[in-house]
Amino acid sequence: SQQGEEDPQALSIQEGENATMNCSYKTSINNLQWYRQNSGRGLVHLILIRSNEREKHSGRLRVTLDTSKKSSSLLITASRAADTASYFCATDAPNSGGSNYKLTFGKGTLLTVNP
Amino acid sequence: EAGVAQSPRYKIIEKRQSVAFWCNPISGHATLYWYQQILGQGPKLLIQFQNNGVVDDSQLPKDRFSAERLKGVDSTLKIQPAKLEDSAVYLCASSLVSDRGFHGGELFFGEGSRLTVL
Repeated sequence: SQQGEEDPQALSIQEGENATMNCSYKTSINNLQWYRQNSGRGLVHLILIRSNEREKHSGRLRVTLDTSKKSSSLLITASRAADTASYFCATDAPNSGGSNYKLTFGKGTLLTVNP
Repeated sequence: EAGVAQSPRYKIIEKRQSVAFWCNPISGHATLYWYQQILGQGPKLLIQFQNNGVVDDSQLPKDRFSAERLKGVDSTLKIQPAKLEDSAVYLCASSLVSDRGFHGGELFFGEGSRLTVL
């Protein structure tokens, strides 16, 4: 089952604008990760935020985590055409048996940055 | 550092035929994953290995899918017989692991193997 749900499903912006994507999840997590996937390619890890962290930055990326609301957001500032891709949040949480942690992905947000 | 290698990149088969995908993870990565990604959806975990032992295969359709990881390195995923709904991209990923299966870190993905079942 999909634990994380991204919002919006699709986002179209102009180059230079900021893009914000949101992720909601259902159960307690160890950490939350964001990945990017260019069309026809594999996923690339962007950033990881642990459950005891509230905000993290990496270059033009800013991620927030609110464990009380079970939600996270990914902000891409000063977007570029090369940022066009699908973005997925993934929650690292115990599996149903509690014997292991596994990474569960949402359905993703398709970001289009127009030149 | 070489990334995760997968082959073949593309495969087209008729329903009820069989297919196998191969994955070579990043050297030293103990944990290996196979994900299925249907068009327009996020990746769904099929099976997770730690070294050559299965950690989680709860979402693997075991009547038709099988996977093995020999000597804790390379892995193969097999589908037999294939159904139309198996059309998807099969992604292999690997990661370092701390202990007791708590990887807690990023996954490194291959480019994927796109399967079309006609």
